[in-house]
Amino acid sequence: DAGVTQSPTHLIKTRGQQVTLRCSPKSGHDTVSWYQQALGQGPQFIFQYYEEEERQRGNFPDRFSGHQFPNYSSELNVNALLLGDSALYLCASSLGGPKETQYFGPGTRLLVL
Amino acid sequence: AQKITQTQPGMFVQEKEAVTLDCTYDTSDPSYGLFWYKQPSSGEMIFLIYQGSYDQQNATEGRYSLNFQKARKSANLVISASQLGDSAMYFCAMSPLYNKLIFGAGTRLAVHP
Repeated sequence: DAGVTQSPTHLIKTRGQQVTLRCSPKSGHDTVSWYQQALGQGPQFIFQYYEEEERQRGNFPDRFSGHQFPNYSSELNVNALLLGDSALYLCASSLGGPKETQYFGPGTRLLVL
Repeated sequence: AQKITQTQPGMFVQEKEAVTLDCTYDTSDPSYGLFWYKQPSSGEMIFLIYQGSYDQQNATEGRYSLNFQKARKSANLVISASQLGDSAMYFCAMSPLYNKLIFGAGTRLAVHP
């Protein structure tokens, strides 16, 4: 049973560029959540997708956008990259009900120069 | 405001001894879930244990147990018989609604032989 997978594992971009991160959920899961973890901090919730719709959003600017596909996989897009966007981006999958356990992927480390 | 507080930036424990990692939370929601995750240096968040706000019994999963004191709004993680592989960051998290996780700042645990 494959767990949550993310690609790429590492990425280096320059300020102003755009980036797309990808996530495949654990088999049987229909909900994908994205988190940003800056160095030395706990993860911060970006948004959650369920049934191809954004169900919840955290306190992140519109530069952060996402998409969920019919097979439940998801993308996170960040436009106009800033130095402060450098972080570990974690994807988590779960079932769609309340308080379901989220299972995380290995993350994508993004460095913005 | 919904918040998780972990007051111990770092903890040390001798191999084979037990250790308690502290977590307090703040929410006005009557229904919520509490989670503990382990994050090794590789970055992946590993789910350890879950406690629902209406659960009467404290959760246990192998060597992990959650000391849930609802009136005090605390959800401490107890690791029994510590192993060298337990050295990692540990995050307490709360899910008030639809799986959005709110994380604390984490506690770094070091297990000494």
